[in-house]
Amino acid sequence: IAGITQAPTSQILAAGRRMTLRCTQDMRHNAMYWYRQDLGLGLRLIHYSNTAGTTGKGEVPDGYSVSRANTDDFPLTLASAVPSQTSVYFCASSESGGGTGELFFGEGSRLTVL
Amino acid sequence: GQNIDQPTEMTATEGAIVQINCTYQTSGFNGLFWYQQHAGEAPTFLSYNVLDGLEEKGRFSSFLSRSKGYSYLLLKELQMKDSASYLCAVRDSNYQLIWGAGTKLIIKP
Repeated sequence: IAGITQAPTSQILAAGRRMTLRCTQDMRHNAMYWYRQDLGLGLRLIHYSNTAGTTGKGEVPDGYSVSRANTDDFPLTLASAVPSQTSVYFCASSESGGGTGELFFGEGSRLTVL
Repeated sequence: GQNIDQPTEMTATEGAIVQINCTYQTSGFNGLFWYQQHAGEAPTFLSYNVLDGLEEKGRFSSFLSRSKGYSYLLLKELQMKDSASYLCAVRDSNYQLIWGAGTKLIIKP
């Protein structure tokens, strides 16, 4: 059972380039999330999707976009990367957007923008 | 504003007991979570509290007091593999998770 798969695991990117982080889950969870994790800060929500076909903005959405064409895939796109987007990005899923809502996380994508 | 406070770092001895505290100020409350995160890895779920009191799960227990905006995670019989960061998160009135910065726990032999 794979759970949540993220790609790439690590990437160095020049500022101004476009980048898409991929996330796929095989648990048939309705809700999916993208977080960034920076040293000394808590996980911060970028975008979320409570069900296929819908998305919402989190705490730090600027510079990022997402799509949810189907239940399994939730890619995160940086249209024009900037150094402040250097971070570790985690994709997560849960059965639904509310309730006990235990999150299952992917292994993370470490992105460096130079 | 919404805020979750945890100690940045704690040190404990193998075999001992450690208590990691978490205080929160959020707009509404719909449950509190604890996650464990080993260095370079993804967070994994440890516990969930929505009512006041103690929830026990093996060597780990989590306590909640909603009136005090306070929770703690208690780890007993510490093992070296418990060296990790422990993340406290509160689900607010909009069912969004607000995360603390995490407590790095160092276990010494």
